[in-house]
Amino acid sequence: EVQLVESGGGLVQPGGSLRLSCAASGFTFSSYWMSWVRQAPGKGLEWVANIKQDGSEKYYVDSVKGRFTISRDNAKNSLYLQMNSLRAEDTAVYYCARENYDFWSGNWFDPWGQGTLVTVSS
Amino acid sequence: DIQMTQSPSSLSASVGDRVTITCRASQSISSYLNWYQQKPGKAPKLLIYAASSLQSGVPSRFSGSGSGTDFTLTISSLQPEDFATYYCQQSYSTPRTFGQGTRLEIK
Repeated sequence: EVQLVESGGGLVQPGGSLRLSCAASGFTFSSYWMSWVRQAPGKGLEWVANIKQDGSEKYYVDSVKGRFTISRDNAKNSLYLQMNSLRAEDTAVYYCARENYDFWSGNWFDPWGQGTLVTVSS
Repeated sequence: DIQMTQSPSSLSASVGDRVTITCRASQSISSYLNWYQQKPGKAPKLLIYAASSLQSGVPSRFSGSGSGTDFTLTISSLQPEDFATYYCQQSYSTPRTFGQGTRLEIK
C-alpha cells in the first residue's frame, strides 16, 4: 500500500523552528518529486515547496523562501521540511504529497499524507 | 503566479442532483488542471487529473472538462458521500496554485 506519514508538528513560539518529516512506503520514493502543501485552519490549500528526485532542484512559494528548507533522504525514504523564523501565519496542517508526472498530463498530487499540525503562538 | 478562481464558493444541493463546479485560470494552462475532494479533518483526495482523466477508483459520476482557462467538474448524480469541499489546482507552472475551494452542502 502506498503510504505517506507525516510527523514533527506541534506548538512553537514565533521566531522558533520546527522540522517536519514524512515517511514514505509502498513505492519507489527515489523516483518521484515530492511536495509539501499546507492548509491554515478553516482555509484553502497552499503549495509550499517541492523537491526533485535526487534533491538537485527545489522550489518554494514566495512566502517561505529563505525561511523553509525542503530536503529528502532517499536511503530512508523520507522527506523533510525545516521551518525557521516561524510566524503566526505559518500555522497550518502540513501535508506531504507525491507528485505524479506524465508528459501529456502534467503533474498531480497523489497520495497525500494525513497531515501534521503546526501551531505558531506565544 | 497563476491565479485560480472557483465558482461558486459554496453550493447547496440534494442527493441525486447534477452539480457543476467551475474553475478559471488567470492565464492559459492547457489541460494541466487537477481536481481534489476534501472531507472535514481528512487529507485531500485526487479525483481528476489533466482536466478530464478520472483517477483510478473514483466513481464514474465524477467528470472533468475544459482547456485553456476554463474548466468544470461535474457530478452527475450526487451521493451522500459527495458532500465535501472541492479544489482545483494548476500544474502548468510553479508555484502550483489551488482555487479557493467550493463547499458542497446538503440542501
